[in-house]
Formats: sequence, C-alpha cells, structure tokens
Amino acid sequence: GDSVTQMEGPVTLSEEAFLTINCTYTATGYPSLFWYVQYPGEGLQLLLKATKADDKGSNKGFEATYRKETTSFHLEKGSVQVSDSAVYFCALSDRGGGATNKLIFGTGTLLAVQP
Amino acid sequence: GAGVSQSPRYKVAKRGQDVALRCDPISGHVSLFWYQQALGQGPEFLTYFQNEAQLDKSGLPSDRFFAERPEGSVSTLKIQRTQQEDSAVYLCASSLASSTDTQYFGPGTRLTVL
Repeated sequence: GDSVTQMEGPVTLSEEAFLTINCTYTATGYPSLFWYVQYPGEGLQLLLKATKADDKGSNKGFEATYRKETTSFHLEKGSVQVSDSAVYFCALSDRGGGATNKLIFGTGTLLAVQP
Repeated sequence: GAGVSQSPRYKVAKRGQDVALRCDPISGHVSLFWYQQALGQGPEFLTYFQNEAQLDKSGLPSDRFFAERPEGSVSTLKIQRTQQEDSAVYLCASSLASSTDTQYFGPGTRLTVL
C-alpha cells in the first residue's frame, strides 16, 4: 500500500541555520504531496503542497519540490527561526480510481530551533 | 471564517465506557474525515463522509468504532466499550469537495482511557 517515510527527529538547529527534512513516498498512482505543521498545542496546518511531478510548493520561506524520479518531497528552509519549532508531517493523497481522498502521513519530525 | 471545531478537547474515560466525539466542519464543506493520532505517530485514516454518506470506513479499527453525519454537517465519532489502546488524539478534517485535496484540520480531541 501507499506509504510515507520521513527522517526521524528531533532535529535541533540554531536560529538562521539551513533546514532539510527528508521525505520519500511509495504510491501506486500519481499522488499529491503535502507538508503539514503542528505547532505546540495547536492543530495540524497545511504548510505547502504539490500536485504533480516537478511542482514546487512554497510558503513562509519553506519549499519542497515533487521529485517523481526519486519519489521524494524534501522540505527546506534557508534560515530557520525559533518560531518554526514544531512537528512537521509529510503526507500524500492518492485517490487512484476510488472516491476517498484520504491522507497518508509520515511519523512526523520534531524541529527545535534554539536562539 | 470559522475553522473546524471539535469537542470536547480532552476526554478521560474509564475502560469499558462509551464516548462520543463531535466535529463541526467548515460550513459548506462536503467532505469530512476522521483520523486517529497515537502518541509520537502521524495521523491514521479512520473514515470518510461525503455529505451524509459514509463512503469509506476501512480505517475503523474495530466494530466498537462508529461514526455518523446524519445531516451532512456535524459528525460524531462514537467508541463503545473503550479500551486502553483507544487512547489517542482524534482529528477531524473537512474539505470543500471530494475532488479537492486540501483538508483543514480541527484541534483534535485527546482521549485517555484509564
């Protein structure tokens, strides 16, 4: 079945450091790919998405490129801030021929940014 | 506008009790999803509604879990005879239409079964 694998955390960085969180996927069809973020005490929020190969999703300085050849969707940010500290989830949505548009999530990566 | 809301935010139940968790989706959203998030894990799909029709319940872990959305708006997830392994955060998400990928999540209900 479809699955998402993302790098384990925690990832601890100093402010202004470069961030990469790796995400790879397995899917039988042509999925859409997402990054969701969960700030402490809050619900899941969509950070960015890409719906087809070579698309780049971007938001709040974060970006990720849908790479079909490597089945990857790595999250990057050039300069992290303390306020970026959160849990980041990679996810895919693969409707295939069915009606359900369910999301399949990775296990999440905790990012801690120190001042 | 208002987002997805869930109630209660926290629920403590004794093993064997029945619980009901409520989800109010974004107004006008056709699709509604329930997910279960165990501690330290990503959310896992439970069930999906399109309006009042439950089109997919393949993720419900046992027949103790039941969900409904009778008028195509508010949804309730019911867990009968709760067990300790049911302890998790239950997330509700809604999206505008079944063909729309973006799902908007509520804050979740944290269920603890003692």
